[in-house]
Amino acid sequence: AQRVTQPEKLLSVFKGAPVELKCNYSYSGSPELFWYVQYSRQRLQLLLRHISRESIKGFTADLNKGETSFHLKKPFAQEEDSAMYYCALRGGFQKLVFGTGTRLLVSP
Amino acid sequence: DTEVTQTPKHLVMGMTNKKSLKCEQHMGHRAMYWYKQKAKKPPELMFVYSYEKLSINESVPSRFSPECPNSSLLNLHLHALQPEDSALYLCASSQPWNTEAFFGQGTRLTVV
Repeated sequence: AQRVTQPEKLLSVFKGAPVELKCNYSYSGSPELFWYVQYSRQRLQLLLRHISRESIKGFTADLNKGETSFHLKKPFAQEEDSAMYYCALRGGFQKLVFGTGTRLLVSP
Repeated sequence: DTEVTQTPKHLVMGMTNKKSLKCEQHMGHRAMYWYKQKAKKPPELMFVYSYEKLSINESVPSRFSPECPNSSLLNLHLHALQPEDSALYLCASSQPWNTEAFFGQGTRLTVV
């Protein structure tokens, strides 16, 4: 079975604080993991993917196969980071399975 | 053009109506997707078209009928829907070998 778990529905931090959005997955094969973001009134868009190993808007995520995790991190949160964040797993050809999402709220 | 365009943005329909949702992309993508998103829930895959052929149907009821008339267009025909089908319907596209999908803004459907 393929499943993505995001344990926090809401994460509230102050500007400048570190952020970690948790994502755990269950998949029997070799996983491909993504983080998607949805800003208010905007479309869902790809933030980053694990195979790229890049930093986008200061966010990074490392795939930990031992812990089956793909947590999203940023050292200093900005107000413009407030959004809904979805972790997603490529489970099978062309099929994306999304987690339930975490709403990040960054307060001034 | 790096956008996926969906029309209409909002749709209210009765349970006996027939309507269609439309999706268009001009990025040369050869895979197109329909997702359903209920309030406060993640998107759930409904259908995948790859090279204009239906490749995945996630056991969606037959009152939803997808169509891919060409590589740029994707339709979702709706007939005899139920109130519980009310949701945000998202279209996405990508290359078939790449799940970096580009999403449209969605059509918010209300069935009355």
